[in-house]
Amino acid sequence: LAKTTQPISMDSYEGQEVNITCSHNNIATNDYITWYQQFPSQGPRFIIQGYKTKVTNEVASLFIPADRKSSTLSLPRVSLSDTAVYYCLVGDLSNDYKLSFGAGTTVTVRA
Amino acid sequence: GEEVAQTPKHLVRGEGQKAKLYCAPIKGHSYVFWYQQVLKNEFKFLISFQNENVFDETGMPKERFSAKCLPNSPCSLEIQATKLEDSAVYFCASSHSGTQTLHNEQFFGPGTRLTVL
Repeated sequence: LAKTTQPISMDSYEGQEVNITCSHNNIATNDYITWYQQFPSQGPRFIIQGYKTKVTNEVASLFIPADRKSSTLSLPRVSLSDTAVYYCLVGDLSNDYKLSFGAGTTVTVRA
Repeated sequence: GEEVAQTPKHLVRGEGQKAKLYCAPIKGHSYVFWYQQVLKNEFKFLISFQNENVFDETGMPKERFSAKCLPNSPCSLEIQATKLEDSAVYFCASSHSGTQTLHNEQFFGPGTRLTVL
């Protein structure tokens, strides 16, 4: 699985947009980019997945540039309940089903 | 069920004792995964099953760890002769067999916190 690099932590305030960038310079052609969210004392939860360009769902948006060497998870108008660890994962999950989590980004939202 | 269930929520064992953790995957999911989260954010893959068959056991410390997924029973992860370094949160996840549009989204249970004293 491609190695990923993301900031260790980010602070934000309620109502702001939070953008977390993940670097994955060695991403392979068949790799997808997936983000998981983990609240304290809970298991990780799938947020969004993409291959290229932009993906949006009810929770977040994922921006992937043409070279796919990085991706940005965008959380619009965060609230206190968005405080969590966000993990960026890259891999060809059709061949290797196990997930490889990095250190993740701890996002703290303050009032 | 609609959620992955894990029992117990907490488990305390003395060094050298046995620990057994259970996981009920989401009904209809073919794959079950076990992960170990030792430090705050670090996950380690242990083992996965496709139905009752071991799919990938590359992460298992085979000397003391074993796991099973038998038909009509919860999956289990057993640690013989626990050590202090086994203290961690153990997560079970399940997934449907892969689709073309969503690559094997895994649904995680709430975890079992194992404390070895």
